[in-house]
Amino acid sequence: EPEVTQTPSHQVTQMGQEVILRCVPISNHLYFYWYRQILGQKVEFLVSFYNNEISEKSEIFDDQFSVERPDGSNFTLKIRSTKLEDSAMYFCASSAETQYFGPGTRLLVL
Amino acid sequence: AQSVTQPDIHITVSEGASLELRCNYSYGATPYLFWYVQSPGQGLQLLLKYFSGDTLVQGIKGFEAEFKRSQSSFNLRKPSVHWSDAAEYFCAVGANSGGSNYKLTFGKGTLLTVNP
Repeated sequence: EPEVTQTPSHQVTQMGQEVILRCVPISNHLYFYWYRQILGQKVEFLVSFYNNEISEKSEIFDDQFSVERPDGSNFTLKIRSTKLEDSAMYFCASSAETQYFGPGTRLLVL
Repeated sequence: AQSVTQPDIHITVSEGASLELRCNYSYGATPYLFWYVQSPGQGLQLLLKYFSGDTLVQGIKGFEAEFKRSQSSFNLRKPSVHWSDAAEYFCAVGANSGGSNYKLTFGKGTLLTVNP
């Protein structure tokens, strides 16, 4: 059964550093999403992406964040200058109709 | 704006007992509704979904949920819980714009503990 994959599974970085989280969506899906879950809190929508552009973003998704689909398979989330409060589990999802989630990347900013 | 309320933060049931997890949503039209399950350290697995049609939907692992428009609810049920069902359960609502591109708004989750 096809599934969404994410790399790395864990990442530790220093405050102010750039990080890139990678996702490989399910191959025939057209809609891509990033969500995050701060420890102990609910899952929050960050951004949706379709036809090579952002279709919707939340207020969390400020200028420090960017997304890209650099080739036909990968979908990336870049955080330009990480802050302590960016520490969270980041989930990628893709859909044709129903959203399927990847296993997540746990980001720890020190 | 859409929102989801899961009133129960933590529920404990005995193995073999029935289960009902509550979910109430707020949305101006008929929403897309979902239940996802998250085991510790894992991602979100889809249990079931409601888009339209029959208001009682069946999912994986013996779960079902019923959409009740009058109560703005989408409660998850299982007639007999297994120890492996211990996990956190999230209800989510998606804006029904008629398209396939929609953001999900999640509830805070209900942690299920299963006693032997």
